[in-house]
Amino acid sequence: ETGVTQTPRHLVMGMTNKKSLKCEQHLGHNAMYWYKQSAKKPLELMFVYNFKEQTENNSVPSRFSPECPNSSHLFLHLHTLQPEDSALYLCASSQDSRGRVYEQYFGPGTRLTVT
Amino acid sequence: GEDVEQSLFLSVREGDSSVINCTYTDSSSTYLYWYKQEPGAGLQLLTYIFSNMDMKQDQRLTVLLNKKDKHLSLRIADTQTGDSAIYFCAYEPMDSSYKLIFGSGTRLLVRP
Repeated sequence: ETGVTQTPRHLVMGMTNKKSLKCEQHLGHNAMYWYKQSAKKPLELMFVYNFKEQTENNSVPSRFSPECPNSSHLFLHLHTLQPEDSALYLCASSQDSRGRVYEQYFGPGTRLTVT
Repeated sequence: GEDVEQSLFLSVREGDSSVINCTYTDSSSTYLYWYKQEPGAGLQLLTYIFSNMDMKQDQRLTVLLNKKDKHLSLRIADTQTGDSAIYFCAYEPMDSSYKLIFGSGTRLLVRP
């Protein structure tokens, strides 16, 4: 148990569906992240939020829409996905200050299958 | 560039030492990390090393850093079956905004 929870753990959706992934951290951190992990590519950073502000968008298609209402919660809204978007989506959090060991705490991930 | 390369697979016998290697291209990195991912779980930080260090030992884990060759390694002594997992090396670029660059991961299989 890392203090970062993700729901749902598994999700199957059609290409025309709209769904959301949820991440919650109980660690008092200020930075939160979405990563995509697939068999074909290494861990890909998608989005970074620091104090609820988006600081990184790693050229992610607009069919993925992040939302960070507060420092403890992070959402990833999904719509009109493609089969190649099937992957494990990992959420992580960390402290915001620089110059320290930069430990990110990961959730268990949501296994997404797009049919 | 931001490339981090690792070999994909390593198989060792229980009780032997494991050495997982990583090479990276960005010489401005400050901290370098090793993360472990067990089946069905997220990543867990195992250990880290600051870029001005050559070696760090933490119980069964030894991290070696050759900054000149941009080579990082993780040695696991007395490898156990519970060490079977995917191991990722990662670093923090100097100009990042809380960003970590990960390698593709090395799958370690420990045979009884």
